Amino acid sequence: NAGVTQTPKFRVLKTGQSMTLLCAQDMNHEYMYWYRQDPGMGLRLIHYSVGEGTTAKGEVPDGYNVSRLKKQNFLLGLESAAPSQTSVYFCASSYRSAVAGGPTGELFFGEGSRLTVL
Amino acid sequence: LAKTTQPISMDSYEGQEVNITCSHNNIATNDYITWYQQFPSQGPRFIIQGYKTKVTNEVASLFIPADRKSSTLSLPRVSLSDTAVYYCLVGDRGAGGFKTIFGAGTRLFVKA
Repeated sequence: NAGVTQTPKFRVLKTGQSMTLLCAQDMNHEYMYWYRQDPGMGLRLIHYSVGEGTTAKGEVPDGYNVSRLKKQNFLLGLESAAPSQTSVYFCASSYRSAVAGGPTGELFFGEGSRLTVL
Repeated sequence: LAKTTQPISMDSYEGQEVNITCSHNNIATNDYITWYQQFPSQGPRFIIQGYKTKVTNEVASLFIPADRKSSTLSLPRVSLSDTAVYYCLVGDRGAGGFKTIFGAGTRLFVKA
């Protein structure tokens, strides 16, 4: 049972470099999310998608772009990495929406991608 | 804006029952309350979700009073492996629409 898989798990970048984090889920979920977690803090929503071909901004979208070309994949891109983007990034997916009221059900998370920007 | 307040940390001993309370004074009428558990170097894992009164599953119980301004996660007979961060979530309605927001969580440390 793969669930939610993130690649890469670790990456070190220099300021100004670009990279893409890949998230893949095999549960046929419509909803996918990218979060970042900084030391001692909870998770903050970067971008999310409510279905193939759709994306929307979360709490902290600046400096990131996303794409959802296939239902099972959600990509997070950093066009010009900055030290402030050093963080652990988590992808999640869900059957119900976590961006609408009512019962949100369960968010399934990947194991995280640790990114360091020097 | 909805906001949750939880204790920053709690200590317990193996075999004890642990109750973690979360306050959410501005919870909206149709919002549910959800709890997640996170171990180091892992993504959060869903524990339980409820709307009112009491919800119980195989790992925890969730108690929600009638006014829904708070909730209590109850972990029966904790073990060392329950050492983790526990997050209480409710909805948040800001300029960008509804979101499920993670707060800073409660760090539970279970001792032998």
